[in-house]
Amino acid sequence: QVQLVESGGGVVQPGGSLRLSCVASGFSITRSGVHWVRQAPGKGLEWVAFHRHDGITKLYADSVKGRFTLSGDDSRNTVYLQMNSLRLDDTAVYYCTKDRDNTWAGEYWGPGTLVTVSS
Amino acid sequence: QSALTQPRSVSGSPGQSVTISCTGTNSDVGNYNFVSWYQQHPGKAPKLIIYDVTKRPSGVPDRFSGSKSGDTAYLTISRLQGEDEADYYCYSYAGTYVVFGGGTKLTVL
Repeated sequence: QVQLVESGGGVVQPGGSLRLSCVASGFSITRSGVHWVRQAPGKGLEWVAFHRHDGITKLYADSVKGRFTLSGDDSRNTVYLQMNSLRLDDTAVYYCTKDRDNTWAGEYWGPGTLVTVSS
Repeated sequence: QSALTQPRSVSGSPGQSVTISCTGTNSDVGNYNFVSWYQQHPGKAPKLIIYDVTKRPSGVPDRFSGSKSGDTAYLTISRLQGEDEADYYCYSYAGTYVVFGGGTKLTVL
């Protein structure tokens, strides 16, 4: 069945970097897009980025553009979110979610990984 | 990339119906039929309950329905049950990005 599992979260100082991984099973990232969505503590959901199945189209929210970069490893069926120049307001649970058949809807979600940016 | 506008909270009694609005612009909700809705219980990952404005994934009860008029989308929950108490978020494609609503807390009285 379809599963997504995020990893790579942790505590990092402002200005630091982290790389999150989203390991997918039950589907191929070469056939379905993957979104990253985050949720700051006690706050709402915020769309972060989208990795399209072609591996070429990558979209980013303005709040992370120029700091976060998506990449994919087809052999590992994994999408990565490289996060640089981290700021205090990047603190959140980061989820990856499978796009449902080019509808831009997040059909299956991972459990999330917590990123804490703190000095 | 402004967030879609949702009421912060709504409430209803078991058996009643509630409707949650989601107002965007002609750059997102008004221009695309890629509107979806998510239910989130505390401490859990979101769950897709409506996509493409009106469609329900398999397993989602038909008590949940979606619609759209102009720049505003709506989620209606009929025959409210206690388990429906949760946060609800709308979400729309906007051409070069995707945007969420601020979320609505549903309280079942």
